[in-house]
Amino acid sequence: DARVTQTPRHKVTEMGQEVTMRCQPILGHNTVFWYRQTMMQGLELLAYFRNRAPLDDSGMPKDRFSAEMPDATLATLKIQPSEPRDSAVYFCASGFGGVNEKLFFGSGTQLSVL
Amino acid sequence: AQSVAQPEDQVNVAEGNPLTVKCTYSVSGNPYLFWYVQYPNRGLQFLLKYITGDNLVKGSYGFEAEFNKSQTSFHLKKPSALVSDSALYFCAVRDPSGKIIFGKGTRLHILP
Repeated sequence: DARVTQTPRHKVTEMGQEVTMRCQPILGHNTVFWYRQTMMQGLELLAYFRNRAPLDDSGMPKDRFSAEMPDATLATLKIQPSEPRDSAVYFCASGFGGVNEKLFFGSGTQLSVL
Repeated sequence: AQSVAQPEDQVNVAEGNPLTVKCTYSVSGNPYLFWYVQYPNRGLQFLLKYITGDNLVKGSYGFEAEFNKSQTSFHLKKPSALVSDSALYFCAVRDPSGKIIFGKGTRLHILP
């Protein structure tokens, strides 16, 4: 079965360190979403790409977060420098786009910033 | 701005009873609505969607959802709950730009 692959599954780091999370969308999908899940805020949209172009990253703290798609098989979310409040589960999802769009989610990266 | 509200953090239902998980939405233009389910330590999985047509939409695992335009609601339902339905359920809306925004989620507990 095709699936969205996220790495790493778990990451523990110290405050101030750089964190890079990677996502391999399903082959042929042309949209990629990054979400952050916390108990308090639920599922927040951080960034959204279509055909590798960033369409919306208004949910992302711009001073420390960046999201890119260097090619169609890789999306990255980077935090530099990381802070304890960034601790959360980060999900990547991909889809074919369009109003019928059904998203396929990866298993997430659980990030702990100490 | 588009938004989704799930008014209940948690819903408890006895096994075999009908269940409802509530969702209301705010969107400009036609509403494109979705339900997803999340099991522990997993990503979200698609359950069903409303794009147009019949107000009652059927999805995976025996779930269905009722779209009500006048009440701007899209409640998730199942006639007879199973213990294995216990999970976190998310309602979502797609805005005209293609962004998909999720509610905060409702934890469903099915009691044996």
